[in-house]
Amino acid sequence: SQKIEQNSEALNIQEGKTATLTCNYTNYSPAYLQWYRQDPGRGPVFLLLIRENEKEKRKERLKVTFDTTLKQSLFHITASQPADSATYLCALDVHTGFQKLVFGTGTRLLVSP
Amino acid sequence: NAGVTQTPKFQVLKTGQSMTLQCAQDMNHEYMSWYRQDPGMGLRLIHYSVGAGITDQGEVPNGYNVSRSTTEDFPLRLLSAAPSQTSVYFCASSYFADSNEQFFGPGTRLTVL
Repeated sequence: SQKIEQNSEALNIQEGKTATLTCNYTNYSPAYLQWYRQDPGRGPVFLLLIRENEKEKRKERLKVTFDTTLKQSLFHITASQPADSATYLCALDVHTGFQKLVFGTGTRLLVSP
Repeated sequence: NAGVTQTPKFQVLKTGQSMTLQCAQDMNHEYMSWYRQDPGMGLRLIHYSVGAGITDQGEVPNGYNVSRSTTEDFPLRLLSAAPSQTSVYFCASSYFADSNEQFFGPGTRLTVL
């Protein structure tokens, strides 16, 4: 069966450290992958998109890698801050001609001062 | 721009009642979609639309109807509410072109008693 797995346990780190979140998938061949941030009681907010032919993408303190052989994406936040505390969702595009995203369940990140 | 707006923010229904969740966007996006988010399940696609007059089913369409008479609006109708439809509902929109970020609304928290 098709599956997207994100660590369901919260990730606790100290301010200033690098947070690394994992997104693993099986039985999909996504053309691209997206990462979203979701705060409690709010809708997800887009962060980064990485295509299947890209190994790495950066945006300010954020970095995403995409390994289609391992079927895994890693999401890094460097110099983390308490304001980075949120749930982070990965989403795979499983489209056949148009966008159709399948989301993981998300990983909650807690950054303590 | 208001972005993606959803009403109501909260709703309580009795089993068997019907209602419409409203969604509107002012970004002239062609693609709109509805998701539901349940604990431990991630966001699941209910219905989507690639333009005015065109809709299609997502992963979990049963019990829901949609229509898209204008580019701006994409209402979701619950025909006969069931407790299994208790969830948080998110509307999203994006440019029709492939591989684009989705803009999410703030969500509607629905409880069916």
